[in-house]
Amino acid sequence: GAGVSQSPRYKVAKRGQDVALRCDPISGHVSLFWYQQALGQGPEFLTYFQNEAQLDKSGLPSDRFFAERPEGSVSTLKIQRTQQEDSAVYLCASSLLGGHATDTQYFGPGTRLTVL
Amino acid sequence: DAKTTQPTSMDCAEGRAANLPCNHSTISGNEYVYWYRQIHSQGPQYIIHGLKNNETNEMASLIITEDRKSSTLILPHATLRDTAVYYCIVRVALGSGGGADGLTFGKGTHLIIQP
Repeated sequence: GAGVSQSPRYKVAKRGQDVALRCDPISGHVSLFWYQQALGQGPEFLTYFQNEAQLDKSGLPSDRFFAERPEGSVSTLKIQRTQQEDSAVYLCASSLLGGHATDTQYFGPGTRLTVL
Repeated sequence: DAKTTQPTSMDCAEGRAANLPCNHSTISGNEYVYWYRQIHSQGPQYIIHGLKNNETNEMASLIITEDRKSSTLILPHATLRDTAVYYCIVRVALGSGGGADGLTFGKGTHLIIQP
C-alpha cells in the first residue's frame, strides 16, 4: 500500500508570500504529525492531530504557522508571510493509533521550502 | 522525554556489523527506546524499538543494557545503502495523545559504510 505522501516536494517562495504544504497520510491512520527539519539538524516536532482534532500545537514557531486536518485525513500546513528562517524541510508522519509508545510513526519524503 | 547521547559519526566497512551506541541514562521505566534512520533527502525510516528486552527484526537488532541506561543498534551485515543518519529516541506515551507523542530527535549518528 501507499505510504505517506507530501506535495509539493520542493517549494521556492519569495519572502512575504504565503505557502501551503499538503500531507496525505497512510489510509486509516488516526494520528498525523508535522515536523520541521533545518539543514544539518534532526526533525523538530511542530504539531499533532488525532483525527481532525489538533491536540498539540506547542511546537509551532509563531502564529504565522497554521495546520488543519478538517476531515481527519489530508492535512495542510500553511505558513503566512514567509521569512528566510522558515527555510527547512517540512516532514509529515502518520501513525495508526496514537497515544501509545508502541505506535510507530511513518514519515513522508518531506517538502523542501526555500524562502528567498 | 529523556535525552539521548550518540556519537556524531562512525565508519564501518561494507559487510561488517555496524554497532551504533546510544546513552539514555535518565530513561524512565515507561519510556521505550526507538531507532530511526534518515537516508539523504528522504524522510526518517523506522528501524526498531524496545522497552527492556533485546529485539530483532529483519533490519536490525537492538540490545538494551539491564539498567536500561544505554543501548546498541546492530546492523549485522552493513551495505552501502545503510549509509544514513541514525537517531536514537526515547519516548513516553500518554493515554490520550498530546505533546509526548511527538518524537524528540537529536542530531543522531552519521554512519558511513565504506566499500
